[in-house]
Amino acid sequence: DAGVIQSPRHEVTEMGQEVTLRCKPISGHDYLFWYRQTMMRGLELLIYFNNNVPIDDSGMPEDRFSAKMPNASFSTLKIQPSEPRDSAVYFCASSFGVVGYNEQFFGPGTRLTVL
Amino acid sequence: AQSVAQPEDQVNVAEGNPLTVKCTYSVSGNPYLFWYVQYPNRGLQFLLKYITGDNLVKGSYGFEAEFNKSQTSFHLKKPSALVSDSALYFCAVRDRWDTDKLIFGTGTRLQVFP
Repeated sequence: DAGVIQSPRHEVTEMGQEVTLRCKPISGHDYLFWYRQTMMRGLELLIYFNNNVPIDDSGMPEDRFSAKMPNASFSTLKIQPSEPRDSAVYFCASSFGVVGYNEQFFGPGTRLTVL
Repeated sequence: AQSVAQPEDQVNVAEGNPLTVKCTYSVSGNPYLFWYVQYPNRGLQFLLKYITGDNLVKGSYGFEAEFNKSQTSFHLKKPSALVSDSALYFCAVRDRWDTDKLIFGTGTRLQVFP
């Protein structure tokens, strides 16, 4: 298995532009998570899905952030418009079964820089 | 509210010496506890977990962790450190009666010197 796949690996954009991050979870996994990692705030859960349905989006910082999971093999995290404070590493993770019981598998991350 | 604390930002240890990375938690009910490791420019990787049973849990790469309910701790240990163990280590907890979220600690950077 290729593991969790994220694209792009690096993204540099200018303030105000739309940014779309993509994630392909491990086949057969029914949970998908989006995290953000910064030096100041550490690792933060933004949103997670179960069977393609958003379950908890309380970590999404503001309306500029949105996430979708149109099918079991694809999810996007969109920031529109982007701001410099959105600069971070964004991780996607997936797991199977009861969350918190089974481990999450993380992708390599997307390093976002907003100028 | 559930929480997890990693009191040390960095731990330094000489290769061959034992290492301990500390983690304490606060949850209602019995916790599910995890350790993850992050190597530079990589995503987090699962090391081990405690759900129930034996308080000493063995995991990947020779790591183990001891669950201590009275001290609400779940310290990560290894008898003999390797330079290749140098990485960022995260403790995480889930309250069995809460949502499906994992709460991650702030991370501890382990530096193993030759």
